Amino acid sequence: QKEVEQDPGPLSVPEGAIVSLNCTYSNSAFQYFMWYRQYSRKGPELLMYTYSSGNKEDGRFTAQVDKSSKYISLFIRDSQPSDSATYLCAILKAGNNRKLIWGLGTSLAVNP
Amino acid sequence: NAGVMQNPRHLVRRRGQEARLRCSPMKGHSHVYWYRQLPEEGLKFMVYLQKENIIDESGMPKERFSAEFPKEGPSILRIQQVVRGDSAAYFCASSPRVFPPGNTIYFGEGSWLTVV
Repeated sequence: QKEVEQDPGPLSVPEGAIVSLNCTYSNSAFQYFMWYRQYSRKGPELLMYTYSSGNKEDGRFTAQVDKSSKYISLFIRDSQPSDSATYLCAILKAGNNRKLIWGLGTSLAVNP
Repeated sequence: NAGVMQNPRHLVRRRGQEARLRCSPMKGHSHVYWYRQLPEEGLKFMVYLQKENIIDESGMPKERFSAEFPKEGPSILRIQQVVRGDSAAYFCASSPRVFPPGNTIYFGEGSWLTVV
């Protein structure tokens, strides 16, 4: 079993839709949770970062962590064509020398 | 993430040659990380360095791969005697100090290595 599981998609939605992206993880020692966006042939760009259960909102993006279920989500409201990218979850163990463990990424296409 | 500079962006090497990938961290950042991205495997941690020190190289293949972050100049990821399986995108990231909390890491645009 992989430490972090993420549905690769692809996910295709119309402009304006609410998008839900999800990851599950296996190790309860994981403590920090991040969502990155990666455009084709570019480096990952941090979107959201949280370390506690609950919701964290930033503009059109909401990150949700449920540590009891080992489940994290990223919601995108009012999705735009410019949101078309691959979304990666990344997780970090406490005291792990900053070794991020990544999901494979979900490819999202927002159609105008 | 444009602050982390990687070069070359694209590199083609024949089997058996050496590949050198360079990374200049963001200004003020003293921690550098290298990750490799393969299509079916995602991003994998390779090595974490501070100036003149390798802190964690647990993700580096035991042979042919080495990394350094000298006191002056960029961090270098060196791959000797490249094989086709080394073809991948190599990403460098940097952070100012302790990560996390309170800071994050910033990624460069990547170096795409193709071995022919």
